[in-house]
Amino acid sequence: DIQMTQSPSSVSASVGDRVTITCRASQGITSSVAWYQQRPGKAPKLLIYAASTLQSGVPSRFSASGSGTDFTLTISSLQPEDFATFYCQQANSFPLSFGGGTKVEI
Amino acid sequence: EVQLLESGGGLVQPGGSLRLSCAASGFTFTSYAMSWVRQAPGKGLEWVSTISSNTIGTYYADSVKGRFTISRDNSWNTVFLQMNSLRADDSAVYFCAKLYKGGWYYFDYWGQGTLVTVSS
Repeated sequence: DIQMTQSPSSVSASVGDRVTITCRASQGITSSVAWYQQRPGKAPKLLIYAASTLQSGVPSRFSASGSGTDFTLTISSLQPEDFATFYCQQANSFPLSFGGGTKVEI
Repeated sequence: EVQLLESGGGLVQPGGSLRLSCAASGFTFTSYAMSWVRQAPGKGLEWVSTISSNTIGTYYADSVKGRFTISRDNSWNTVFLQMNSLRADDSAVYFCAKLYKGGWYYFDYWGQGTLVTVSS
């Protein structure tokens, strides 16, 4: 099974800051990674798939990169609505798995 | 507009059963795999199960294998999760999610979730 290790588990930031979240897979998974945003009490929302492809409607301040085992999500200029928890997910093989989450706090 | 509406959650005693439903609309249901993902209170996301568009392929997390069964009714655009032998650690919000497209196991749409509480 593939484990996804996300870091940091939480980050404190201010509006306008650049934030980077990393995710490491326990084995190579090419570019089969997605990133999700979850606001409190809401369902997750797909931001990025195939490691770096922005989902339709997602603001361009979100970007991502990586392949193999190491992946990153970057928010270039944090906005008030971006304070949420972010998850990576490997889509390479079953069982599918998520990282533990990164809470972005004010 | 894609909509996924879960139902069937509630309070159940340990060892009991529950059947979750997810009614889908706004897309060609028969063309997409569907999944269930759960989230225990205050915890992260955990993939539970996936069923292929043609119902031939079903996949389960080890934590639920042998106890949960995923199915779908393509005539009614509905996916189900039959949960048996429930345990306290099955307590969670259960989300229904649509997979992106054939062979791409990304979740592009999610329902709002249904809460399952396993307690005596």
